[in-house]
Amino acid sequence: DGGITQSPKYLFRKEGQNVTLSCEQNLNHDAMYWYRQDPGQGLRLIYYSQIVNDFQKGDIAEGYSVSREKKESFPLTVTSAQKNPTAFYLCASSIVPTSGRREQYFGPGTRLTVT
Amino acid sequence: AQSVAQPEDQVNVAEGNPLTVKCTYSVSGNPYLFWYVQYPNRGLQFLLKYITGDNLVKGSYGFEAEFNKSQTSFHLKKPSALVSDSALYFCAVRVMNTGFQKLVFGTGTRLLVSP
Repeated sequence: DGGITQSPKYLFRKEGQNVTLSCEQNLNHDAMYWYRQDPGQGLRLIYYSQIVNDFQKGDIAEGYSVSREKKESFPLTVTSAQKNPTAFYLCASSIVPTSGRREQYFGPGTRLTVT
Repeated sequence: AQSVAQPEDQVNVAEGNPLTVKCTYSVSGNPYLFWYVQYPNRGLQFLLKYITGDNLVKGSYGFEAEFNKSQTSFHLKKPSALVSDSALYFCAVRVMNTGFQKLVFGTGTRLLVSP
C-alpha cells in the first residue's frame, strides 16, 4: 500500500451524521484521489486534487466534500446528503498529475458502514 | 464513452496452469492501460502498464499483459498460476477529462486458483 495511510480501517456511523475519512501520503505526490468501491461496480472517482488548495469533482461527487490544505493530506467528508454512503473508500496518489503515464498508488481503504 | 470492459466476473484455474484475465478498452487516441490487483479488504496494488512500445508488457509477481490494438484488448496473463494469485483484478484506462487525465476502471475479475 506504499506510503499512503487511511484511517480508520473500519468506521460505523448513524444515518444523518457527517463523517470524515483521513488520507495521508508521504510520497511527495502532487495529485490525490478519492474512489468509492461497491461490489460489482469497480472503482468510481469521487474527487481529485492536482495541487494544494485546488480540487475537482469526479464522477460521483454529490454528497461528498474534500479539502487540500496540505500536499500530504486529502480528507474526505461523507455528508448526510449522500444517499447511500455505505461502501469501501480508497484514497490514491500519483506523481505528475497531468501525465497519464504514471500509475496511481493506493491506500489500504476505509470501510464505512452507515445504519 | 471511453471505458474498459472485463467480461468475466470470475476466472477459475488450477495451480500450475496458465491464467488469462480479459480486458477490452474503448478510448479515443492512444490508450494508456493499467492492471491492478486487490487482496481482500486491501487497497489496489499496481501490476503493470502499457504506454507505448513492445506489445508484451512484463510486471510484478510474474504477470504479463499483451496489448492488441486491432482487438482493442489488454489481457493479463501468467504462465503458471499460484494459489496466492487468488484476488480481484482490475483493468484501467487513462481518459481525458477537461485537461485532467484520470483512470477509468473496469468492474473487476475475481481470480480463484485452486490447489
